[in-house]
Amino acid sequence: AQTVTQSQPEMSVQEAETVTLSCTYDTSESNYYLFWYKQPPSRQMILVIRQEAYKQQNATENRFSVNFQKAAKSFSLKISDSQLGDTAMYFCAFSSGADGLTFGKGTHLIIQP
Amino acid sequence: AAGVIQSPRHLIKEKRETATLKCYPIPRHDTVYWYQQGPGQDPQFLISFYEKMQSDKGSIPDRFSAQQFSDYHSELNMSSLELGDSALYFCASSLKRGAYNEQFFGPGTRLTVL
Repeated sequence: AQTVTQSQPEMSVQEAETVTLSCTYDTSESNYYLFWYKQPPSRQMILVIRQEAYKQQNATENRFSVNFQKAAKSFSLKISDSQLGDTAMYFCAFSSGADGLTFGKGTHLIIQP
Repeated sequence: AAGVIQSPRHLIKEKRETATLKCYPIPRHDTVYWYQQGPGQDPQFLISFYEKMQSDKGSIPDRFSAQQFSDYHSELNMSSLELGDSALYFCASSLKRGAYNEQFFGPGTRLTVL
C-alpha cells in the first residue's frame, strides 16, 4: 500500500512571497500520478496541479509549480506571488491503477496581508 | 460547466438511524468515487464504481453500502449510524476509470450524527 506524508501541518507567509509545501510518498508502483488539492474554508476540493510519474518535466499551472524528484519520492508544491485567496488546506495525493486517491494529512497554508 | 451534484448538502441523524447520500456525476462521466473526511482529517477513499459495477473498495465499513444506477448517479447507504460517522462525505466523478483521469469533486454532504 502506498503512503503519503506531509510534514508541515501549518505554514504562514506574507502576501506576494513564495512558499513551498513538502510531500513525500512511498510506493512500489512504477507508474502513478501525484496531485495537489486545495481545500479552502468552503471545504470544496479543488485540483491545483498533477504530475505523471513517467514524465520528467515538472508540471506548472500559472503561479503553481511542482518539484518532482522520483528517486527521492518527493513531490513539493511551490506557490509564487502568493495571494490571500491561496489560504487553504493543501493535500498531496497519490493514485495508481484505478484506485481511489490516497491523501496526505494536509498542510494548512495561511497567507498574511 | 456542469459540476458534480451531491444531495443533501447537510444531514442530521440520530444514532442507529439510516442515511442515504446521493451523487450525480458530471454528464458523460461513468466513474464515481466516495470519500469520507472526518473533522480535521484527510479524505479517506471508501468505494468506487465504473459503469455501474463496483470498481474498487477502500475503508468502507460493513454498515455502509453503495451502488451506481443506470443513469450513473450513485447512492451511499449508511445504516446503524454511529457518532464517529459524523463527517463530510465527498463524491467525485471521472471520465473512465484510471489514475490518469482527473477526479472532479462535489461540494460534499455534511453528516452529523447526534
